[in-house]
Amino acid sequence: DQQVKQNSPSLSVQEGRISILNCDYTNSMFDYFLWYKKYPAEGPTFLISISSIKDKNEDGRFTVFLNKSAKHLSLHIVPSQPGDSAVYFCAATESRNYGQNFVFGPGTRLSVLP
Amino acid sequence: DTGVSQDPRHKITKRGQNVTFRCDPISEHNRLYWYRQTLGQGPEFLTYFQNEAQLEKSRLLSDRFSAERPKGSFSTLEIQRTEQGDSAMYLCASSLSRPANTGELFFGEGSRLTVL
Repeated sequence: DQQVKQNSPSLSVQEGRISILNCDYTNSMFDYFLWYKKYPAEGPTFLISISSIKDKNEDGRFTVFLNKSAKHLSLHIVPSQPGDSAVYFCAATESRNYGQNFVFGPGTRLSVLP
Repeated sequence: DTGVSQDPRHKITKRGQNVTFRCDPISEHNRLYWYRQTLGQGPEFLTYFQNEAQLEKSRLLSDRFSAERPKGSFSTLEIQRTEQGDSAMYLCASSLSRPANTGELFFGEGSRLTVL
């Protein structure tokens, strides 16, 4: 039972355009969400996060939107750059969970074409 | 380099052998996590330490798996009697003990296990 889903295994975008990566979750107890980026042969690195008390969080070219009623979040990258080419993982957790068990989606591979 | 380091980066072993992975977290981080990642999947939670105490274990962590963090610093993950299904990337992550709404994990580069 996948609690965090990323239904697009891959996405290709032209340099300078917007990249939109989507994530859906099923567990209504999740109240904190994160995006991680992973390059080959490296561990995932934190990108941006959002708490369920917000519906938007922005950091430079990266914006995460949260739609709690739809149990859906998205990551927008504007403008996309070739260096953004990586695998992006959506992750979710229940903040009341002492261990902060982060549940990750399967990832979306983003290719930004020059 | 003050990031999370893992050793070895790649281990090839025969089925039935024991393997041990080591993780050195960022020095001031008191939380340490082990995750497993297989091809085409995201990281799956295995276990978590707060200082030297192992506070949470996933049901994925069978009896053949054991993790320790004896002095609250580095951690080891041992897999006994390896099976081909254990082949995966084993990721270690660390974090500070913050309020939950920060939640950033710092991952190492992983230890890839191949069981023949």
